[in-house]
Amino acid sequence: GAVVSQHPSRVICKSGTSVKIECRSLDFQATTMFWYRQFPKQSLMLMATSNEGSKATYEQGVEKDKFLINHASLTLSTLTVTSAHPEDSSFYICSAGRGQYDGYTFGSGTRLTVV
Amino acid sequence: AQSVTQPDIHITVSEGASLELRCNYSYGATPYLFWYVQSPGQGLQLLLKYFSGDTLVQGIKGFEAEFKRSQSSFNLRKPSVHWSDAAEYFCAVGGNSGYSTLTFGKGTMLLVSP
Repeated sequence: GAVVSQHPSRVICKSGTSVKIECRSLDFQATTMFWYRQFPKQSLMLMATSNEGSKATYEQGVEKDKFLINHASLTLSTLTVTSAHPEDSSFYICSAGRGQYDGYTFGSGTRLTVV
Repeated sequence: AQSVTQPDIHITVSEGASLELRCNYSYGATPYLFWYVQSPGQGLQLLLKYFSGDTLVQGIKGFEAEFKRSQSSFNLRKPSVHWSDAAEYFCAVGGNSGYSTLTFGKGTMLLVSP
C-alpha cells in the first residue's frame, strides 16, 4: 500500500516550452503533497507544499510563476515547469503525506532535461 | 530552524562488514526522524522512522537506527552489508504531523567493496 506514481520518469524538452509532471497517490488520499528538486549528487530541496483545493506554498527563492503547482484532487498534484531553460534541468521528486504518524511516500522522480 | 547533518559524504564498507551512518539533527521540538535510501535515478524509499517510544527502531532490509536525544543523533546501522545496499542514504527530520515538511541531510553515498 501507500504508492505514489510520478510521470513521466524522464522528459527532454526544448528551451522555452513547458513541461507537466504528474504525481498521483494510488491507494490513499493525499491532502498534502510536496515537490522537491534534486541537483546531481546533492540533497533534496523542498520547492513547495501543495494542498488540495488551495494555492501551493512556495519556499523562498522558488519562482511560483515558473513552477506552477496544481492540486485539484486528493490523489493528483501536478508541477508545470513553464518556459523551461537549461538551468531548470534537474531531478524532480514528489511526496505525499499520509497523515500524522504515517510519514511520507515518495514518487520515483522525473529527470527533466532542457535542451 | 530545523537542520540535519550527515558528516560523511561517502563511506566504503566491505561486503559482510558492519555499517553505521551518522546523522545529527537540530529541531526545536520533538522530532520525527527518518532514514531514506535512494538508488541512482530513483525516488526515495523509506527504511525506517522514529516518532516516539522505543529509541531503537527496526526497519526494512535489516537496518536499524537508534535515537539519542542527548546527542541529537539518529544513526543508521546494519550488522552485515550486502552489495545491493550500495546507494545514497538520506536522514531527514520533520514535525509531528504527516503534513509538515521534511528537512533532509546532504546524504551519504555508501560504496560496498567485494
